[in-house]
Amino acid sequence: GQSLEQPSEVTAVEGAIVQINCTYQTSGFYGLSWYQQHDGGAPTFLSYNALDGLEETGRFSSFLSRSDSYGYLLLQELQMKDSASYFCAVSLNTGGFKTIFGAGTRLFVKA
Amino acid sequence: NAGVMQNPRHLVRRRGQEARLRCSPMKGHSHVYWYRQLPEEGLKFMVYLQKENIIDESGMPKERFSAEFPKEGPSILRIQQVVRGDSAAYFCASSQDSGANVLTFGAGSRLTVL
Repeated sequence: GQSLEQPSEVTAVEGAIVQINCTYQTSGFYGLSWYQQHDGGAPTFLSYNALDGLEETGRFSSFLSRSDSYGYLLLQELQMKDSASYFCAVSLNTGGFKTIFGAGTRLFVKA
Repeated sequence: NAGVMQNPRHLVRRRGQEARLRCSPMKGHSHVYWYRQLPEEGLKFMVYLQKENIIDESGMPKERFSAEFPKEGPSILRIQQVVRGDSAAYFCASSQDSGANVLTFGAGSRLTVL
C-alpha cells in the first residue's frame, strides 16, 4: 500500500527555524509536495520536489531524497501566522496521476 | 480568475437523504480531484476525473458514492442515503496538467448528517 509518515505536532517560537520531516512508502512515485492549511481553510500549495535536492521559496524550503524516500519542509524566521497544519503529499503515476496526503503536522508558533 | 469554486459551503442532511456537492475548476484546468477530510485528520483521496472520464476512483467507497465531470458544467460528487459517518469536509482540487504537481483547492463543502 501507500503510506506517508510525518510528526503529528511541532511547537516552535517566533523567529526560530523548524523542520518537518516526511517519509513515504509508495509505488509509482513522481514527486513530493507540501501544503499548508489553516483551521477552517483550504489547503494551499507551498512547494514541489521532483528531483533530489533543495528547493527554496522565500522563508520556506523543501528537500527531497528519492533514494531515502524522505523529504522535509524547512520554515525559517517563523511568524505567528505560520501556525497551521502542514501536509506532505506524494504524486503518484499509477496509470493516471493522483496525489495522496500524509496525516499532517500541526505547527504551533509561540511568542 | 475565480479559482476553484465549490458549493454549497455548508450542507445539512438527515440520514437517508442525498447530498450533491459541486465543483467548478479553475479556468484552464481540466483535471479535478475530490478529497475527504475528517476533523484533525489528513486529506483522503477519493476520485480523479477529467472531462467526461473517471481516471482513478480507487479512494471512493463502492456504494452510495459517485462522481462525474460532464462536458459542460461543474464536477459533482453525489452521496446517496447519507449516514452520520459521511459528515466531513469535502475538498475539490484542480490542476492544469495531468502531473498533479500543483493542486489548487476550493474552500470545501462541509457536510453534516443529522
